[in-house]
Amino acid sequence: EVLLTQSPGTLSLSPGDRATLSCRASQHVNNNYLAWYQQKLGQAPRLLIYEASSRATGIPDRFGGSGSGTDFTLTISRVEPEDFVVYYCQQYGGSPYTFGQGTKLEIK
Amino acid sequence: QVQLQESGPGLVKPSETLSLTCTVSGDSVKSSRWSWIRQPPGKGLEFIGYIYYSGRPGYYPVDYNPSLKSRVTMSLDTSKNQFSLNLNSVTAADTAVFYCARGSYFYPDWGQGILVTVSS
Repeated sequence: EVLLTQSPGTLSLSPGDRATLSCRASQHVNNNYLAWYQQKLGQAPRLLIYEASSRATGIPDRFGGSGSGTDFTLTISRVEPEDFVVYYCQQYGGSPYTFGQGTKLEIK
Repeated sequence: QVQLQESGPGLVKPSETLSLTCTVSGDSVKSSRWSWIRQPPGKGLEFIGYIYYSGRPGYYPVDYNPSLKSRVTMSLDTSKNQFSLNLNSVTAADTAVFYCARGSYFYPDWGQGILVTVSS
């Protein structure tokens, strides 16, 4: 099973800042099959990025994904007020598909 | 646009079977793979498994998380455009919000989720 470790656990920023969220895998993620989700309180997760860097339908271009192998990054170029929620990475390169523990983006 | 809606009891007794159904609208259950994911209160997400229509009536391949495989069964009802989850021998550790989702690898569409509490 591929373990995903997200860092930091909490990221404190101000609106307009650049956010960099990390996801590290315990082993190589096949084909860079890594996704990122955003989850607002009380809601289902929303797919942001798949295949490490492809934006899902309707996702603003301030969200970007990068990385390969075992190290992946979600970048929010300019954080908007509605972006201060929780983010999860997920690998689907090998079953069982696993999620990271999440990074909470909070207002500084 | 596809919509998914979970349904089932919100309270299940320990040692009993948790049964949930996901009703799909805006798409056919024959056209995609369909997954269940859960999230204990205040915690992260866990893949439970997925099911799909193979094209052969009555044969629906599945893939379950090994950590739950001995207790999980998924099924597909093409006539009702639904898919279902059964999780037996539940304990308090199974208390979670259960989500159904479209996709087997990553999940572009989700239901709103249903909280299932395991308690006597």
